[in-house]
Amino acid sequence: KQEVTQIPAALSVPEGENLVLNCSFTDSAIYNLQWFRQDPGKGLTSLLLIQSSQREQTSGRLNASLDKSSGRSTLYIAASQPGDSATYLCAVRPVWDSNYQLIWGAGTKLIIKP
Amino acid sequence: GAGVSQSPSNKVTEKGKDVELRCDPISGHTALYWYRQSLGQGLEFLIYFQGNSAPDKSGLPSDRFSAERTGGSVSTLTIQRTQQEDSAVYLCASSLGLGARTDTQYFGPGTRLTVL
Repeated sequence: KQEVTQIPAALSVPEGENLVLNCSFTDSAIYNLQWFRQDPGKGLTSLLLIQSSQREQTSGRLNASLDKSSGRSTLYIAASQPGDSATYLCAVRPVWDSNYQLIWGAGTKLIIKP
Repeated sequence: GAGVSQSPSNKVTEKGKDVELRCDPISGHTALYWYRQSLGQGLEFLIYFQGNSAPDKSGLPSDRFSAERTGGSVSTLTIQRTQQEDSAVYLCASSLGLGARTDTQYFGPGTRLTVL
């Protein structure tokens, strides 16, 4: 059974710092891994999708890496800003699942202090 | 084009009443997904549609839950005889297709359901 874990559950850092969010998964048989952000009262916004054959994806100040063999992904945020404050979720799409569902971590709540 | 939209944004109902939640996916997206997020918990997958077909309904929590999709577009999630444990945010997502390269899921803002 695929399980996704995110550590830490919460993180508070001063503005301008670089930071890393971690995601681990128990079964390496995945099609892809996605990082999302969730703002209070709003839906989920897809940030980056990494295919199983890829090692990383970049978008602006965000860089996500994937090490499928070790079951780990990291989301690197450079030069953090208060607007980055949100809950960050990672999710994997298992190969074995015929429902095309995503299996989700519980999220990391990020607070960037001005 | 517009993103995924859901209505209503908030719904408060009394225990035992039926509710219907609506999702309008991004135009042209063939795949549609329903999830729910209970307070303090992660997202729970409910059901997905490819076109108008839902091949597997086993993710629905009970037989009080049903979902349909018409015209390959709008989907409704119906909860009959609501219970307090049904209170959650119900999220809908759509994706262009089901292939690994096309299945970035785009989410709507959700419907917050409160059962009193």
